[in-house]
Amino acid sequence: LAKTTQPISMDSYEGQEVNITCSHNNIATNDYITWYQQFPSQGPRFIIQGYKTKVTNEVASLFIPADRKSSTLSLPRVSLSDTAVYYCLVGDITPGTYKYIFGTGTRLKVLA
Amino acid sequence: DAGVIQSPRHEVTEMGQEVTLRCKPISGHDYLFWYRQTMMRGLELLIYFNNNVPIDDSGMPEDRFSAKMPNASFSTLKIQPSEPRDSAVYFCASSFQGRAPGEQYFGPGTRLTVT
Repeated sequence: LAKTTQPISMDSYEGQEVNITCSHNNIATNDYITWYQQFPSQGPRFIIQGYKTKVTNEVASLFIPADRKSSTLSLPRVSLSDTAVYYCLVGDITPGTYKYIFGTGTRLKVLA
Repeated sequence: DAGVIQSPRHEVTEMGQEVTLRCKPISGHDYLFWYRQTMMRGLELLIYFNNNVPIDDSGMPEDRFSAKMPNASFSTLKIQPSEPRDSAVYFCASSFQGRAPGEQYFGPGTRLTVT
């Protein structure tokens, strides 16, 4: 299983773009990259998933370089409500072979 | 849709007692996962089911833990006997493979305290 490394914490101000980078040097061919968000006293919430290049949805963008050894979650114009822990997961999502490991996550604090 | 439903939301029990946590996945989802979260160990996958069949239980810490899924709308995680080190938040999650591989929907969790 590919181990992930993320910054433990980050601070940002409202309205700024936040980029959280995750390293996964041992990523395997069948592995996808997935990001989750977790607020205090709640379960994690799926944000975005990708395999290579760039993926964008209404919440965030995910940038994955060609070698796939890292990925960057980009949150545009954050607000106070984006204060949460963000988890990067790398694993095989082939049916019947789910192998996800949640790392320690990045604690993002958005300041007014 | 009501989302994943877990009960109870909070459970306080004494060491040695049996604890049963319950989960109702989102209707139509074919995968169900049980996780445990603590400050020390983070979020750990305990076991997951596909179409009510346990696929991987390698994360279950020991024989005191057992999980069942008798039908597509209900699953239980049982701890017998419980120990203080089992204190944690237990999450249930479900997903539908055909729609978005890897996108899991988490319940609100059950906070278990074993004294």
